[in-house]
Amino acid sequence: QVQLVESGGGLVKPGGSLRLSCVGSGFTFSDYYMTWIRQAPGKGLEWIAFISSSTRTIYYADSVKGRFTVSRDNAKNSVYLEMNNLRVDDTAMYYCARPQGPQPNNWFDPWGPGTQVTVSS
Amino acid sequence: QSVLTQPPSVSGAPGQRVTISCTGGNSNIGAPYDVHWFQQLPGTAPKLLIFENSRRPSGVPDRFSGSKSVTSASLDITGLQPEDEADYFCQSYDSSLSAWVFGGGTKLTVL
Repeated sequence: QVQLVESGGGLVKPGGSLRLSCVGSGFTFSDYYMTWIRQAPGKGLEWIAFISSSTRTIYYADSVKGRFTVSRDNAKNSVYLEMNNLRVDDTAMYYCARPQGPQPNNWFDPWGPGTQVTVSS
Repeated sequence: QSVLTQPPSVSGAPGQRVTISCTGGNSNIGAPYDVHWFQQLPGTAPKLLIFENSRRPSGVPDRFSGSKSVTSASLDITGLQPEDEADYFCQSYDSSLSAWVFGGGTKLTVL
């Protein structure tokens, strides 16, 4: 079945860096856009990054632009999120999800179980 | 402050019907961009419930239905069941922000 699994989360100090990974299975990974969405503790959902299947198109939310970098390796069925200069308010559960439908009317399905990132001194 | 506005909480007794609203503006729902809905059970990742305003993925019971009108959308849940207790989020695209946006979420309590 179609599945996404994130990894790479952890505890990091403010100003530090972290690299998240998401592996997809059960579908032709190279055919699909991918996206990252996060959820701060007890809060709502925030879309943060989008990457097209060919990596030709990349978008970021203003909150992470210039600090986060999304990339992918279709040979490894993986998408990555490089996070630099982390701040306390980046603390969240990070989900990768597969956008579906015509841009920009995309919906996200499925989602991975998430990986927790905690930024604290 | 979320771009899409949802009530923080709704509640209903088993078997009853509840409606969750999602209000946006002219740069998102009213643009018009589609609205999608997600259900998040406690401690789990969000799951797609409704896409393209009113379409249900396979496996989602027909107790769940969605509708859209100008700058708002609604999720209706009929025949409430205890397992429906969850957080529900609406989602759309916003052309002013050039970003996919979510509502703040609505916590459904089944009394």
